[in-house]
This record gives sequence, C-alpha cells and structure tokens, in this order.
Amino acid sequence: GAGVSQSPRYKVAKRGQDVALRCDPISGHVSLFWYQQALGQGPEFLTYFQNEAQLDKSGLPSDRFFAERPEGSVSTLKIQRTQQEDSAVYLCASSLAWTQPQPQHFGDGTRLSIL
Amino acid sequence: RKEVEQDPGPFNVPEGATVAFNCTYSNSASQSFFWYRQDCRKEPKLLMSVYSSGNEDGRFTAQLNRASQYISLLIRDSKLSDSATYLCVVRKPSGGYNKLIFGAGTRLAVHP
Repeated sequence: GAGVSQSPRYKVAKRGQDVALRCDPISGHVSLFWYQQALGQGPEFLTYFQNEAQLDKSGLPSDRFFAERPEGSVSTLKIQRTQQEDSAVYLCASSLAWTQPQPQHFGDGTRLSIL
Repeated sequence: RKEVEQDPGPFNVPEGATVAFNCTYSNSASQSFFWYRQDCRKEPKLLMSVYSSGNEDGRFTAQLNRASQYISLLIRDSKLSDSATYLCVVRKPSGGYNKLIFGAGTRLAVHP
C-alpha cells in the first residue's frame, strides 16, 4: 500500500560520520513529523514540516541535526558527526492537513546504530 | 518529570486475564488522548482514541479523567496477540499545529 516509506531500514555508521535518513510521506499529506525513539522509550518529537516549511525544530537535540523538505514531499533528516547517543530508531509520520487534527501515519522507521 | 508518565511494566499475564494500564499527563492544555500499540521493531499504530465519557472497542476500554489528568486502558480476555508495548499519547496545540507527546510505553506479555 502507499504508506509512509522510510529508508534505509537499518543504518550502521562509525562515530563521527554523517548520515542521511529519508522519508517518503503519503502522497498529498501536508504535515510531516520526525521522531527519535531510544530503546525502551516512546517516540520523542524532533521536528515538524507543513509542506516545505519547517515550523518547529524545537526537538532537535543539537545543531548536528538538520532536516529538510525542499519540495513539500520527501524529507531528509541529516545527522552530522554522529555520536553514540544518536543510536535510536528514527520515525517519520505524515498527516493529511493541519487545520484540524488528523491521524498521523507512521513509517517503519530507520534503526541507526553508531559504533 | 516527563509530560506523559506510564508504568513501564512489563506486565506478564496468562491468556484470558484482565489487565489495566494507567497513564498521567501534566499539561492541562492537552486536548486529545490516545492509546497506541507498538509491536517489537515496528511502528506505533493507533489503537483507540480516549474520550471523557469512556469508550469501548471490543475487549478494550479506555477512560479519561480530565480533572486528575489520568488515562487508563483495560484489556479483557487477553490474547497472545495482545503482547506488545502500549503507548499513552496526548495531543496538544503547539504554534498552530497539533503535537503528539508519547509516554515511554507499558510492555505487555501474554503467555499461554
């Protein structure tokens, strides 16, 4: 089905490397969210896009984290100079609109391991 | 203190048991409330919304007490397939959009 698609499914990187995680939202969905889920924890909000505009990046842990959605569809979360504490599952979710609360549809996530 | 608090469990129960999960939230501006289910290595999926009047979906009953900022989920006649992590989630307005705040989740293991 045409759900939220994330790639890669798994990513292993050495400490200090840069990584890029991709999210393909459901077609036509205006809102896009990124979450970080550490082991044994619930998803924690990272950032929110409304079309191509990044309206909230208050959850990004540091300036090493950067997200973009240049054409209002696909989004990329980039982490520079990765650290071991960045190891987590990164979830992307999209929803149809922002004017009224809409269900968020989640992708399977990218499991990032930093060695 | 986290904005949404849950007992982490795990809850180990036999098939057929009734199990209850509790959750508290700290932000009175929270508008909507949900229970999500997350299977191991899978994404969270919406189980049910929670309404002040209480609501039921088959074996699942959810309750909300706004005055005490407390949410509960009751599962009756537990099945093996109910084994998962149950996430308590609140939605609150945040700068023109609605943000989901997740609890850490409560693990349920149903055994034969």
